[in-house]
Amino acid sequence: DAKTTQPPSMDCAEGRAANLPCNHSTISGNEYVYWYRQIHSQGPQYIIHGLKNNETNEMASLIITEDRKSSTLILPHATLRDTAVYYCIVRGNLYGGSQGNLIFGKGTKLSVKP
Amino acid sequence: SAVISQKPSRDICQRGTSLTIQCQVDSQVTMMFWYRQQPGQSLTLIATANQGSEATYESGFVIDKFPISRPNLTFSTLTVSNMSPEDSSIYLCSVVPDRVSTEAFFGQGTRLTVV
Repeated sequence: DAKTTQPPSMDCAEGRAANLPCNHSTISGNEYVYWYRQIHSQGPQYIIHGLKNNETNEMASLIITEDRKSSTLILPHATLRDTAVYYCIVRGNLYGGSQGNLIFGKGTKLSVKP
Repeated sequence: SAVISQKPSRDICQRGTSLTIQCQVDSQVTMMFWYRQQPGQSLTLIATANQGSEATYESGFVIDKFPISRPNLTFSTLTVSNMSPEDSSIYLCSVVPDRVSTEAFFGQGTRLTVV
């Protein structure tokens, strides 16, 4: 079973920030939080990941709470092309014995509206 | 990064037949995986394709139904055998390039319809 809980759907107005929450209360110390998205009819696409510090890249920002039990993915200026299913996944480090595969939950279907 | 080519992109097959899906990567990768995505559902891991040895299957998936080959570090195949309409799904290949990689890469998937 997936180790994360996400709302099934969210709406966001184009140009506004999209904030996607994720609960991972059973995360262990060596597990990372990953975010992927799947645009309709495509394979999943990596967005960002983090361990305990907040992270930012050209696509998004990841805010992880101090206790690491939850996180928020932020798309600062959502566009119509950001409409997709967003998956929050926890996974261990490959050196730490993780098998490398990803366990997908149901994700959040984000709809960006004009 | 890794660029994955999956073939075929889609197919419509008769029940009782088999289909082999190919996954070609543009560089050598450490790990290769096969996932299934049933209509309206999330992705489920079928197996880990091991180079030069038998694949490691997840609970609910067996080698007789989903034989997998991985002859080298850039190529793998998944066969869906003796198909039934319940096998209609998207099948996706995924790779992790090496043990320092932080992300997995996915192919575009093979959309299979069994009639």
